[in-house]
Amino acid sequence: ETTVTQSPASLSVATGEKVTIRCITSTDIDDDMNWYQQKPGEPPKLLISEGNTLRPGVPSRFSSSGYGTDFVFTIENTLSEDVADYYCLQSDNMPYTFGGGTKLEIK
Amino acid sequence: DVQLVESGGGLVQPGGSRKLSCAASGFTFSSFGMHWVRQAPEKGLEWVAYISSGSSTIYYADTVKGRFTISRDNPKNTLFLQMTSLRSEDTAMYYCARKSFAYWGQGTLVTVSA
Repeated sequence: ETTVTQSPASLSVATGEKVTIRCITSTDIDDDMNWYQQKPGEPPKLLISEGNTLRPGVPSRFSSSGYGTDFVFTIENTLSEDVADYYCLQSDNMPYTFGGGTKLEIK
Repeated sequence: DVQLVESGGGLVQPGGSRKLSCAASGFTFSSFGMHWVRQAPEKGLEWVAYISSGSSTIYYADTVKGRFTISRDNPKNTLFLQMTSLRSEDTAMYYCARKSFAYWGQGTLVTVSA
């Protein structure tokens, strides 16, 4: 089973600042990493899919990079509406595994 | 529009059973694999199970293997999760999601408590 270690568990930034979240996998998963945003009371929303592909309709301030075992998710110019929990998910091999999540707050 | 609507959640006693359903619409259900994902209160996401479009391939998380059964009825556009031997740690919001996780339902809450 591929373990996914996500960091940090929480962070607080001012609007306009850059957010960086990292996920490290215990096995090589090529670029089969996905990134989700979850707001309270809502299901997760897919922002970026395998191959660092931004989903249609998702603002370009969201991006990701990485291949193999080290992956980074970035929000440029963070807005107040970006307050949410963020998760990574490896979809390379079963069982699929999520990172532990990152809680983003705005100062 | 793609819609996934879960149902069947509720309060269950430890050791009990429950069957969840996920009604799909807005796409050709029989062409897509489907997942169940759960989220315990104030906790992170946990992938639970996957079934391929024709039910030939099924996977489970180790935490539910042998207790949960995923199935589907393609003519009725419905996904199921039969849960048995339920434990308190199975208390969670249960979501169904389409194969690539681009589409999710709103979830159904299962509470396992005496």
